[in-house]
Amino acid sequence: EPEVTQTPSHQVTQMGQEVILRCVPISNHLYFYWYRQILGQKVEFLVSFYNNEISEKSEIFDDQFSVERPDGSNFTLKIRSTKLEDSAMYFCASRRTQTGTSGKDTQYFGPGTRLTVL
Amino acid sequence: KNQVEQSPQSLIILEGKNCTLQCNYTVSPFSNLRWYKQDTGRGPVSLTIMTFSENTKSNGRYTATLDADTKQSSLHITASQLSDSASYICVVSPNSYNTDKLIFGTGTRLQVFP
Repeated sequence: EPEVTQTPSHQVTQMGQEVILRCVPISNHLYFYWYRQILGQKVEFLVSFYNNEISEKSEIFDDQFSVERPDGSNFTLKIRSTKLEDSAMYFCASRRTQTGTSGKDTQYFGPGTRLTVL
Repeated sequence: KNQVEQSPQSLIILEGKNCTLQCNYTVSPFSNLRWYKQDTGRGPVSLTIMTFSENTKSNGRYTATLDADTKQSSLHITASQLSDSASYICVVSPNSYNTDKLIFGTGTRLQVFP
């Protein structure tokens, strides 16, 4: 069964450094998402992406964050200058169609990248 | 404010027993409600998804119910197995063509002991 993959599984970085988290969505999916989950807290929406542009972003997704789909398979999340509070599990997800067009469409999540900022 | 609340926060049961997890939401308007299972250190995996017009949905030993009038949902697990130990997250999707984000509950941490 096709699945969303993410690399690396764990990333440790120094505060102020740039990190790029990588995701390979399911191949025939059209909508892509990033979520994060701070340890012990709920999963939070960061951004959705469709047709090579951001379709929606949350208040968390400030100017330090950016997303890109550099080729036909990868979907990346870049954090320009990491802060201690960016330490979290970051999940990529993808969906075939948008919620508005199919109420039963499911977002499939990757295994996550654990980001630790020291 | 759109919120999803779950109870209990954690639950311990013996293998073979049944259990029911609760979800209350204030998301309005509402499109659909999903239950996800999340193993420790892993991404959420979809168990069930229901639109506002559905009031029950089963997936093997998992049965979800939905009461759109009271804005409540439950997830019933029958004949629990050790592999059911995980967090179970209630996730609600607002009814809007302008938003695609999911609103997550805090989850119920279920531990099944032999």
